[in-house]
Amino acid sequence: AQTVTQSQPEMSVQEAETVTLSCTYDTSENNYYLFWYKQPPSRQMILVIRQEAYKQQNATENRFSVNFQKAAKSFSLKISDSQLGDTAMYFCAFMKPSTGANSKLTFGKGITLSVRP
Amino acid sequence: KAGVTQTPRYLIKTRGQQVTLSCSPISGHRSVSWYQQTPGQGLQFLFEYFSETQRNKGNFPGRFSGRQFSNSRSEMNVSTLELGDSALYLCASSLFGEELFFGEGSRLTVL
Repeated sequence: AQTVTQSQPEMSVQEAETVTLSCTYDTSENNYYLFWYKQPPSRQMILVIRQEAYKQQNATENRFSVNFQKAAKSFSLKISDSQLGDTAMYFCAFMKPSTGANSKLTFGKGITLSVRP
Repeated sequence: KAGVTQTPRYLIKTRGQQVTLSCSPISGHRSVSWYQQTPGQGLQFLFEYFSETQRNKGNFPGRFSGRQFSNSRSEMNVSTLELGDSALYLCASSLFGEELFFGEGSRLTVL
């Protein structure tokens, strides 16, 4: 079974600064996906970024980038130039892929990020 | 393109009652999965459906059940409600399996 650990329950960052959210996971699989999801106070979960385990290059999406360390089973999210709209709960998640259908997402406990004006 | 739609958004039930929640996936998506979100347990996987077949099931008691219809819409049912079933129930749909699109959820309160 897979586990995902987010050890920091809360973080705060000043607007325009950079913040890094930590995530570690445990799995015996070699091929898998890792995700960061954002859940703003309105509650709808939104995909922020995705990383395929077979890719060595770290994924980036505009101001969001990851530091994927497969051997260390670490998957951190860096948010650059933080904006007030980044205030949300962030979940790290693991998926073992299967053909033709969703696979089960295993989520971490989440971290509440507050961006201060 | 409409997103994932969940109904009802809010509902209040009493212990022992049953509840049915509905999820309409994004048009063309055949995979639907359900998650329970609580402050204590976080996000937990309930079940996954693909083309009307349950492909995966989480570690929940038999009181939790679901189904998927031929138009990919899905329902989940919880019977004999307990206080601990109070939660936000999230539905997600997917086209190819890796990227899930979530609905806004159904907030269930059990009194």
